[in-house]
Amino acid sequence: GQQVMQIPQYQHVQEGEDFTTYCNSSTTLSNIQWYKQRPGGHPVFLIQLVKSGEVKKQKRLTFQFGEAKKNSSLHITATQTTDVGTYFCAGHLRSNDYKLSFGAGTTVTVRA
Amino acid sequence: ETGVTQSPTHLIKTRGQQVTLRCSSQSGHNTVSWYQQALGQGPQFIFQYYREEENGRGNFPPRFSGLQFPNYSSELNVNALELDDSALYLCASSLEQGRTEAFFGQGTRLTVV
Repeated sequence: GQQVMQIPQYQHVQEGEDFTTYCNSSTTLSNIQWYKQRPGGHPVFLIQLVKSGEVKKQKRLTFQFGEAKKNSSLHITATQTTDVGTYFCAGHLRSNDYKLSFGAGTTVTVRA
Repeated sequence: ETGVTQSPTHLIKTRGQQVTLRCSSQSGHNTVSWYQQALGQGPQFIFQYYREEENGRGNFPPRFSGLQFPNYSSELNVNALELDDSALYLCASSLEQGRTEAFFGQGTRLTVV
């Protein structure tokens, strides 16, 4: 079954508003990666977090890795129409595991 | 553009047939991973190849097999196709056996009828 869970599944946002999407794992992750997939496109790497409690920012996007390394979040401020797409988190469940486990994604739509 | 190319982009096959999908990895990348993405779902890990050897496999039956060549390009073979195999198949190239960022190709849309 799905070991990496994401909520919400869908996020409808008014342009200019902020939102957060969450990623939770049943087991400790050795790292967490975030990808964005535009409609009809392929996943594009956004960022990787490795350390407990790590926070990284990319312009309007803020990524956080939980202290227990079991959860992560992506917060987007002042949403723009270019933010439309599906955001996936993905992680390695064990330090010696080459399998990257993806969540089901959060699909974001933006109302202009 | 990532530099990862997949062929073909679309394919229609009949149940029971066999299919081969191809992937050219980004220059300098020695690791290729294959994923199956059903509609509305996240990519599911099929397997990974590092320096021509399979070094990780997800929950897929043996009829899913692969190869990696000396130039690090790769093939995914699926035998005895089933209707549920219809999906987007993505390959991703990376360094360090997939522990760093993955660069995805545009995918092959496989439809089994």
